[in-house]
Amino acid sequence: DVKVTQSSRYLVKRTGEKVFLECVQDMDHENMFWYRQDPGLGLRLIYFSYDVKMKEKGDIPEGYSVSREKKERFSLILESASTNQTSMYLCASSLGQGFAYEQYFGPGTRLTVT
Amino acid sequence: AQSVTQPDIHITVSEGASLELRCNYSYGATPYLFWYVQSPGQGLQLLLKYFSGDTLVQGIKGFEAEFKRSQSSFNLRKPSVHWSDAAEYFCAVGGNTGFQKLVFGTGTRLLVSP
Repeated sequence: DVKVTQSSRYLVKRTGEKVFLECVQDMDHENMFWYRQDPGLGLRLIYFSYDVKMKEKGDIPEGYSVSREKKERFSLILESASTNQTSMYLCASSLGQGFAYEQYFGPGTRLTVT
Repeated sequence: AQSVTQPDIHITVSEGASLELRCNYSYGATPYLFWYVQSPGQGLQLLLKYFSGDTLVQGIKGFEAEFKRSQSSFNLRKPSVHWSDAAEYFCAVGGNTGFQKLVFGTGTRLLVSP
């Protein structure tokens, strides 16, 4: 089975802190994604990566950056956390580029910024 | 740009009754359509997808969905709901934007009453 793991299920940070959310997949997938999930807004794509060191902005990249130094790991970075970044963050990965390749999701990290 | 509307925020169904969750999409060409389920505390799991061909698609856990181009709809159905189906359901659409960029609806929370 494909496994996508996220480093923390729950995280509480203070405004202005630098926050790292880590995601690891164990199936040699090419693509990895970061979404945020908010009530009434569904999932929105923050960034995705289609190869090591490659990244593309999604729909809401402002306030976030990403890093992919190894194929299996994709990190989401909040340079200076703000309260409006309190949310559920979901990581996903897929084997290839086309929609025929399923996106597999991790369990999510619920981040609270106080 | 593509978009997805899930008009029902919450739906309550009695165990054993049938279920239909609504999804309407907006996209100029034939879209790629997906239904995902998110159980409490879990990531998203793909239930089924439509790319082309037969407009009635079968998925996992006894779910099916029908693509109706004339109505721009992709409604999810199940003939007999089980208590374990209580979860949040997301419809998503992908277009011909190059990468695997999905646009999600806002979700429908299904409650199952005894």
